[in-house]
Amino acid sequence: EAGVAQSPRYKIIEKRQSVAFWCNPISGHATLYWYQQILGQGPKLLIQFQNNGVVDDSQLPKDRFSAERLKGVDSTLKIQPAKLEDSAVYLCASSSRLGGIYNEQFFGPGTRLTVL
Amino acid sequence: SQQGEEDPQALSIQEGENATMNCSYKTSINNLQWYRQNSGRGLVHLILIRSNEREKHSGRLRVTLDTSKKSSSLLITASRAADTASYFCATDGMDSSYKLIFGSGTRLLVRP
Repeated sequence: EAGVAQSPRYKIIEKRQSVAFWCNPISGHATLYWYQQILGQGPKLLIQFQNNGVVDDSQLPKDRFSAERLKGVDSTLKIQPAKLEDSAVYLCASSSRLGGIYNEQFFGPGTRLTVL
Repeated sequence: SQQGEEDPQALSIQEGENATMNCSYKTSINNLQWYRQNSGRGLVHLILIRSNEREKHSGRLRVTLDTSKKSSSLLITASRAADTASYFCATDGMDSSYKLIFGSGTRLLVRP
């Protein structure tokens, strides 16, 4: 079974530029998550999709971050414009069920973003 | 905000020794999970313990859960150099729309 795929693996941009990350979840997984992980901290959930609908985006800075999951499969996360504090690893994860006692999540390798 | 807080923040042991990490959380949970993250990689799920379970084993891993104290511990027995990684607890809260909330992690170094 193929894992969660993410691209690019690394990205360096200057502040005020735009950037987009792509995620392809495990086949058949209905739930998809985007996390931000700042160096030395645990992952923080940015947005959670169930199929192509948003379940939770309470911690997504909506003035600059946007995400979509068209057709309920692949997802993209965009930052426009980027700030220095957006430097982090952006992790995508997927799971087969929404919550309950089976909410094991499978993570991709992440995209390391550096904003200069 | 982060619900789970791990203790200690960093741990250095000799190969063959046991490593114990603790996690405390604040609200009622459906389950608690432990994940491992090797440097520069994504997280890997290790073990899930449900709120009605007290102890669970998986290979060299032993997890306990005390819901009255809102705490969990992860024990890695007979550690190996390959166990060097960061370990995170994550809680699936009853009131958090099924999202996982991660702690800040314990960085484990196993010296050969």
